[in-house]
Amino acid sequence: RKEVEQDPGPFNVPEGATVAFNCTYSNSASQSFFWYRQDCRKEPKLLMSVYSSGNEDGRFTAQLNRASQYISLLIRDSKLSDSATYLCVVRGWAAGNKLTFGGGTRVLVKP
Amino acid sequence: DAGVIQSPRHEVTEMGQEVTLRCKPISGHDYLFWYRQTMMRGLELLIYFNNNVPIDDSGMPEDRFSAKMPNASFSTLKIQPSEPRDSAVYFCASRTRAGGGQETQYFGPGTRLLVL
Repeated sequence: RKEVEQDPGPFNVPEGATVAFNCTYSNSASQSFFWYRQDCRKEPKLLMSVYSSGNEDGRFTAQLNRASQYISLLIRDSKLSDSATYLCVVRGWAAGNKLTFGGGTRVLVKP
Repeated sequence: DAGVIQSPRHEVTEMGQEVTLRCKPISGHDYLFWYRQTMMRGLELLIYFNNNVPIDDSGMPEDRFSAKMPNASFSTLKIQPSEPRDSAVYFCASRTRAGGGQETQYFGPGTRLLVL
């Protein structure tokens, strides 16, 4: 089983709609969680950190469920520019500075 | 800020040749990471340095891969001899010391390697 698993998609989303997807992680001792965004043929960039109480950044909302070991990302009022691959990233308490990346969920926003 | 700089951006080589990838981290960042990304395996950490010292190289696939960081502003990843299965995008990333477990790694644009 992979340490971090994501539905690869693609999620085809009409412009203006809401889309949500999850990521599961296997190490219950994981401490820090992030969503990175990667555009086609570009480098990954931090989208947002995920905090225990959940957090929001504009149209993006991230949630953490430690009991079920998953994190989620919700995008409201989707824009064409939201089309990208979203990488779920986890850091375990014993991992030092190592981040483990999921395989990514591809989102395609269409007019 | 110029961001993380990698060179070359593209490399095509023949099996058996030596390949050297280069990275210049963001000034002031004391952590440097080398990743490899493929469709099959996703983004994998190969090795990382702290203050120019290799801390964890458990992700380096085999002895054909080596990495160095002679100073705070330069690192290399070398593959010798290269094989077709080494074809991938190689990313370098850097970050500064973070507190509270939160961190942002800044990635370079990557080097697309094709080994024929």
